Amino acid sequence: KQEVTQIPAALSVPEGENLVLNCSFTDSAIYNLQWFRQDPGKGLTSLLLIQSSQREQTSGRLNASLDKSSGRSTLYIAASQPGDSATYLCAVPQTGANNLFFGTGTRLTVIP
Amino acid sequence: ETGVTQTPRHLVMGMTNKKSLKCEQHLGHNAMYWYKQSAKKPLELMFVYNFKEQTENNSVPSRFSPECPNSSHLFLHLHTLQPEDSALYLCASSLNYGYTFGSGTRLTVV
Repeated sequence: KQEVTQIPAALSVPEGENLVLNCSFTDSAIYNLQWFRQDPGKGLTSLLLIQSSQREQTSGRLNASLDKSSGRSTLYIAASQPGDSATYLCAVPQTGANNLFFGTGTRLTVIP
Repeated sequence: ETGVTQTPRHLVMGMTNKKSLKCEQHLGHNAMYWYKQSAKKPLELMFVYNFKEQTENNSVPSRFSPECPNSSHLFLHLHTLQPEDSALYLCASSLNYGYTFGSGTRLTVV
């Protein structure tokens, strides 16, 4: 069964810093990986979807990378802002089924 | 709004009550999902519907009963719940590989 791990569980940085969130998965036979953002008590907002054939995907200050062979993805956030404070989740699809396996997330706090 | 609408946003119910959660999407997606999110745990898939046919029931207790009358609407009927069922219930829809989530229903069982 696919297992998704996110490190660290929580991260606190001063405003303006660049930061990296990590995601690892045990089964490398994935066809994409998705990063989500979740604000407290709210649903998930999709940030980036990176296909297995891609190595990177960018949206504004966010950049996601994917290394299937090593079972890793990173989410890079440039010039962090207090509004970036949220929990960030990565998810990979279950092979041959409509399901996503989620990590437990990284709770990010950006201090003004 | 994300395009996936969930109602109600908050629900408090007693263990003997019967209630229903509603999810609606008009994104043209062909799959809909119920997920449960409890504190300190990863999101857990509960049910999947593809073209309104149930394709996954992830060993969910029978006190949770899903209903998908068409590709745009999904319900979760609740009865005789337990306090440990208190959680955030999230609905999602997808087309191909992109998922869209609703804002969730915060359920408290007393």
